[in-house]
Amino acid sequence: AQSVAQPEDQVKVAEGNPLTVKCTYSVSGNPYLFWYVQYPNRGLQFLLKYITGDNLVKGSYGFEAEFNKSQTSFHLKKPSALVSDSALYFCAVRDWGGYNKLIFGAGTRLAVHP
Amino acid sequence: EAQVTQNPRYLITVTGKKLTVTCSQNMNHEYMSWYRQDPGLGLRQIYYSMNVEVTDKGDVPEGYKVSRKEKRNFPLILESPSPNQTSLYFCASSLSTQGDTEAFFGQGTRLTVV
Repeated sequence: AQSVAQPEDQVKVAEGNPLTVKCTYSVSGNPYLFWYVQYPNRGLQFLLKYITGDNLVKGSYGFEAEFNKSQTSFHLKKPSALVSDSALYFCAVRDWGGYNKLIFGAGTRLAVHP
Repeated sequence: EAQVTQNPRYLITVTGKKLTVTCSQNMNHEYMSWYRQDPGLGLRQIYYSMNVEVTDKGDVPEGYKVSRKEKRNFPLILESPSPNQTSLYFCASSLSTQGDTEAFFGQGTRLTVV
């Protein structure tokens, strides 16, 4: 079965420190991977995606993610966290068994403290 | 501004009273879908549409209906809402039907069924 796992419900970091939000996936076929962010009372916003090519993907707001095929991971990273990065982050993978459907992880709440 | 607009943002209703949540996009996207978000479960797809008059079930379609009479609109209908449909609902659209483009999400509709 195709799935996405975000092993941490919550990640806490200090402002200015690097942050990592973890994601692992299981999919039959080529992995199309996405990260979305949800701020309070807002819809999900696209951050970045991996479809093919370079394993290091750069996205919005200074975020990047590294695709690792052998570890089936797609961790989200940022070199220096901001308090305004505090939000709920979702990893998602295209489900090849369903037409253009995304399978989402349960989400990781990132808390950046001053 | 490119956007997906959902209405209403908040809705409290009683069991069995039919309701419709509207969704409209202004990006001429082919693909639209509905998701529900529940704590610890991430987002799960309810229904999707690849184009006008083409709709199909997602992972959790029971108790929901949709229609796609115009390209821009994709309403979600609950004919007889029940308390287990209390959730946060998101409409999304994307340019491609191949799963390689990002989804644009509405701001969400928080539905409470009592």
